[in-house]
Amino acid sequence: DAGITQSPRHKVTETGTPVTLRCHQTENHRYMYWYRQDPGHGLRLIHYSYGVKDTDKGEVSDGYSVSRSKTEDFLLTLESATSSQTSVYFCASQGFFGDEQFFGPGTRLTVL
Amino acid sequence: KNEVEQSPQNLTAQEGEFITINCSYSVGISALHWLQQHPGGGIVSLFMLSSGKKKHGRLIATINIQEKHSSLHITASHPRDSAVYICAVYSGGGADGLTFGKGTHLIIQP
Repeated sequence: DAGITQSPRHKVTETGTPVTLRCHQTENHRYMYWYRQDPGHGLRLIHYSYGVKDTDKGEVSDGYSVSRSKTEDFLLTLESATSSQTSVYFCASQGFFGDEQFFGPGTRLTVL
Repeated sequence: KNEVEQSPQNLTAQEGEFITINCSYSVGISALHWLQQHPGGGIVSLFMLSSGKKKHGRLIATINIQEKHSSLHITASHPRDSAVYICAVYSGGGADGLTFGKGTHLIIQP
């Protein structure tokens, strides 16, 4: 396993509060991704990073921001959580383009 | 944007049966991934392939680049194979991740 962890694993929060999810990998992978998984949809890309301080938007980036100050950590922030952001969030890391992605265990977020 | 379609969406079979899950995509790709997700669990990569066929234990994955189609086969299926199987394609051109199918929910009954 690539050694990729996510925290917290479960979180319940209220609408309007800020939330930060953390992804940590120990493989020195250059590329990291945040996805969300919802019933009836495939995994959808929120944001990705191709190096320290280098990030870009994915398909469903509205309402989310990210930061990557170290190779091993990729943070996803919901500035003001909404009920539509209730989902399961997966982080993934990748050594190089097109290679296998290693997924974290997921974070189940509920916004009331 | 690549469109990825999987079939069937749901499949229930008896232990020992030969299982086939299909994946088709709309735009040429550089790699296709098959992933497995157990109930309540994380996602594990099973195969990554760009041509031909790969085999790992009872799992076989094939891809036909010209037809834009891939299949995942499970021989001698077992209840522990029950999971969601996800097809994902990488179209290249940048570090913008994979495009995923919605998954096939497989249940193997004893």
